[in-house]
Amino acid sequence: DAGVTQSPTHLIKTRGQQVTLRCSPKSGHDTVSWYQQALGQGPQFIFQYYEEEERQRGNFPDRFSGHQFPNYSSELNVNALLLGDSALYLCASSLALAFSGNTIYFGEGSWLTVV
Amino acid sequence: AQTVTQSQPEMSVQEAETVTLSCTYDTSENNYYLFWYKQPPSRQMILVIRQEAYKQQNATENRFSVNFQKAAKSFSLKISDSQLGDTAMYFCAFMARDGDMRFGAGTRLTVKP
Repeated sequence: DAGVTQSPTHLIKTRGQQVTLRCSPKSGHDTVSWYQQALGQGPQFIFQYYEEEERQRGNFPDRFSGHQFPNYSSELNVNALLLGDSALYLCASSLALAFSGNTIYFGEGSWLTVV
Repeated sequence: AQTVTQSQPEMSVQEAETVTLSCTYDTSENNYYLFWYKQPPSRQMILVIRQEAYKQQNATENRFSVNFQKAAKSFSLKISDSQLGDTAMYFCAFMARDGDMRFGAGTRLTVKP
């Protein structure tokens, strides 16, 4: 049973460019959340998707957008990249709406470096 | 807004000894979950232990146990019989009904041989 998978694992982008990160949830999971983890800090919640809709959003600008597909996989898009967007982007999946106490599984993350 | 505070940026412990990591949180919610996650150099977040706020009994998972003090909004993690493989970043996290998980800044734990 595959866990949460993310791609790509590492990428380098230039300021002003756009990036798309991808996430496949653990089998059977229908809820996907995205987090940004800057070096030396804890993860910060970006947003959560359930039933192909954004259900919750953290304090991130509109440059950060996402999508969830019918197969529950998800994409995180970041436009007009800034140097400060350099971070590890973590995807987490769970079953049903998050507040059920169901265990949340994390992927290994996508390292984004903006130069 | 909920906040999570880990006041110990770094801790170290001798192999086989016991160490306690501290965590406090602030919330007006009455029903929520608390978590401790381990993040080794591979960067994957691994769930160590979970506590439901409405349960008074402290959660235990093998060598890992918590001291949950709801009134004090405190949630410390005790690691017994520390092993070299326990070396990692440890994050305390809070999740309320909105499903937004809030993490602390983390504690870097080093287990020394």
